[in-house]
Amino acid sequence: DAGVTQSPTHLIKTRGQQVTLRCSPKSGHDTVSWYQQALGQGPQFIFQYYEEEERQRGNFPDRFSGHQFPNYSSELNVNALLLGDSALYLCASSRFTGENTGELFFGEGSRLTVL
Amino acid sequence: AQTVTQSQPEMSVQEAETVTLSCTYDTSESDYYLFWYKQPPSRQMILVIRQEAYKQQNATENRFSVNFQKAAKSFSLKISDSQLGDAAMYFCAYRSPDYTGANSKLTFGKGITLSVRP
Repeated sequence: DAGVTQSPTHLIKTRGQQVTLRCSPKSGHDTVSWYQQALGQGPQFIFQYYEEEERQRGNFPDRFSGHQFPNYSSELNVNALLLGDSALYLCASSRFTGENTGELFFGEGSRLTVL
Repeated sequence: AQTVTQSQPEMSVQEAETVTLSCTYDTSESDYYLFWYKQPPSRQMILVIRQEAYKQQNATENRFSVNFQKAAKSFSLKISDSQLGDAAMYFCAYRSPDYTGANSKLTFGKGITLSVRP
């Protein structure tokens, strides 16, 4: 049973460029959330997707956008990259049971470096 | 808004000994979940233990146990019989209950780096 998979694992971009990160949830999961983890810090919640809609959003600018596909996979897009966007981007998936959201399973992340 | 505070940036423990990692949080909610996650150098966040706020009994998972003090808003993790493989960053996290499919947001502390001395 494959867990949460993310691609690419590492990438380097320059300021002003755009980037797309991808996430495939764990089998049986329908909810995907994204986190940004700066070096030496705890992850910060970016947003969550459920039923192909953004359901909740953290304190991130509109340059951060996302999408969820019918197969529950998800993309995170960041436009007009800034040096401060350099971080590890973590994807987490879970299954909503109708009563509560279950345990979050995390991928190994995509390490983005902006030069 | 909820906040999670981990005030100890680093801790060290001798192999086979016991160590306690501290965490405090702030919330106005009465129902919530608390977690400890482990992040080894491989970067993947791994759930160590989970505590539901409505449960008075402290959660335990093998060598890992918590001391949950709801009134004090304290949630510490005790690791017994420490092993070399326990060396990692440990994060305390908070989550509100989700009844609509609209809340899988975790609020994390800054983390603590645990080293284990052989």
